[in-house]
Order: sequence, then structure tokens, then C-alpha cells
Amino acid sequence: GENVEQHPSTLSVQEGDSAVIKCTYSDSASNYFPWYKQELGKRPQLIIDIRSNVGEKKDQRIAVTLNKTAKHFSLHITETQPEDSAVYFCAASNGGGGGSNYKLTFGKGTLLTVNP
Amino acid sequence: GAVVSQHPSWVICKSGTSVKIECRSLDFQATTMFWYRQFPKQSLMLMATSNEGSKATYEQGVEKDKFLINHASLTLSTLTVTSAHPEDSSFYICSATERATEFFGPGTRLTVL
Repeated sequence: GENVEQHPSTLSVQEGDSAVIKCTYSDSASNYFPWYKQELGKRPQLIIDIRSNVGEKKDQRIAVTLNKTAKHFSLHITETQPEDSAVYFCAASNGGGGGSNYKLTFGKGTLLTVNP
Repeated sequence: GAVVSQHPSWVICKSGTSVKIECRSLDFQATTMFWYRQFPKQSLMLMATSNEGSKATYEQGVEKDKFLINHASLTLSTLTVTSAHPEDSSFYICSATERATEFFGPGTRLTVL
């Protein structure tokens, strides 16, 4: 089955700096890669996702890049703010986000702390 | 985005009792829902895929007789933890896909004494 590795496990940055979280996946058939933000005791919230037919996607301060050849994808947060502090999870699926083979495999998470 | 609700948000029970958790899609129909378990400071682990009108598909290592799943309608799936023990204490989260995106419920904190 799919295996997703996520690094680093913890990341501390100063407010205004950029933060980068990296993930690798093992199943070359995976084609959907969402990123979730989870605050303590709350549900994971989708912040951005990318499908295998594109290499980069951006939404304001958040961007995701995908390298299918190397089987890795990264989350980039620019101009970080204290409210960005949370646990971030990457995930991968080969079901395109809803097909009959759809199943998300999550990375272990990254605790991001943005210091004021 | 789509809204997924869960009930209860937390439950405390005695060892040996059964606990039922409900997951509802509020503004869309979900033929498939997912149940995850999350231990403190760990990632989400998929337990099973709940299919409306058919049997659930369980992940390897998850006991189907202990974690009973019923998906009786297009908006409701239930997870029953039978004969709960302290090691079953965890955060249980359901999710459903809508327009090829997975949305999560708020989770249920189960504590077994």
C-alpha cells in the first residue's frame, strides 16, 4: 500500500518568515495530494490540494509543489503569522479524490510554531 | 465547503460497555464515509471505509467485530465501539467526500475508564 513520509516533525519559525514542509510518497499511482491543518482538539481542515496533472498550485500565502518523478510534494507558507501555528498533515491517494479506489494515506504531521 | 457533523463530541464510558458515534453529511449525500482514529500527537489512521447499503471495508489490523459500522442512509454512518476498553480511548473522526474533496467531522473524544 501507500506510504507517506513527512518532514520535519516540528518546525519553529519567526513571524514573517517562510515555512516549508516536505512529503514523499511510495505509490506511483497516487494522483491526489491534499494538505490539512489541524488545531489542537479540532478537525483537520483542507488548506490546499494538488492533483497529478499540475506541478504547482498557489492560494494567497500558501503554495504546493509536486514532483511526480521524484514522488515528493511540498507545502510552502509565506509571511507566516502566529495563527498559522498548528499541525499540518500531507496525504496521498490514488483515487483522484473520490473515485472507487479513493483512500487517503496521511503523513505523520508537522507541528508548526510561529513565534511573534 | 461541505459540512460533516459528529455526535457526540465527547463520551466517557466504563470498560466493557458499547459506544455509538454518529457521522452525518449535512448538506450533501455521501455514498462513502470514512472512519479514522487519532491518538494524541499522532496522525490520522484510517480504520474503515463505510459504504451505503453494503458492508464496510476495514483496514488491516482493525477488528470488524469490535468496530461495527452501519451506513444506513446517504447522510448517516455510525461507528459502534463494542466492549470498549481503556486502550480504545482515542479521538475518532469521520469524513466524507464531496466533489472529489474529503471533509472531516469535528471528531469524538472517547475515554474509557
